[in-house]
Amino acid sequence: DIQMTQSPSSLSASVGDRVTITCRASQSVSNYLNWYQQRPGEAPKLLIYAASNSQGGVPFRFRGSGSGTVFTLTISSLQPEDVATYYCQQSYSTLVTFGGGTKVNIK
Amino acid sequence: QVQLEQSGSELKKPGSSVKVSCQASGGTISGYTVTWVRQAPGQGLEWMGRIITTFGATNYAQQFQGRVTFTADESTSTAYMELRSLTSEDTAVYYCARVSWAAAGKGDYMDVWGKGTTVIVSS
Repeated sequence: DIQMTQSPSSLSASVGDRVTITCRASQSVSNYLNWYQQRPGEAPKLLIYAASNSQGGVPFRFRGSGSGTVFTLTISSLQPEDVATYYCQQSYSTLVTFGGGTKVNIK
Repeated sequence: QVQLEQSGSELKKPGSSVKVSCQASGGTISGYTVTWVRQAPGQGLEWMGRIITTFGATNYAQQFQGRVTFTADESTSTAYMELRSLTSEDTAVYYCARVSWAAAGKGDYMDVWGKGTTVIVSS
């Protein structure tokens, strides 16, 4: 299976800060990489697909980049409603895997 | 806008089975792939597998092989997940999600999610 490793596992930042989350794959997944946001008590929600494509309705402050084995999700200006856990997920392999998640809090 | 409506919470005894349903409203699951993901309390997301509804073809994560079965009824736009030989480690929220394909060469993604079904396994 392709292992997905996210860092950091958690972070605290101030409103308006730029936040970057990294996801590393154990082998190349090309650009078959998606990002999800899961707010407390809710189902996951698709943010970014194919590494850098925003799902409709997702605020512009969320941006995805990367290819191969290293990917990043950037929140350009953190807002209170962004408190959530963020997961990367590869769809390169038939056997899908998720990263362990990054919990984002407000300082 | 399609929504996925999942069946209600379940309390099961160890060794028993559970069957969770996932029905599309405002659209159909016909022609789509439905994936199942679970989340144990305080833990991350764990992919269980997928079913291509039109063909009934399935892929299961290795850790669930032989213990889980996915089915789909296109006439009612409903997908089902049955998990057998339950233990306390199967206590989790179980999600279904629709899989859509990006343009050629960009893979697929889970774009519509159910709200989840809580399964508690306890004696």
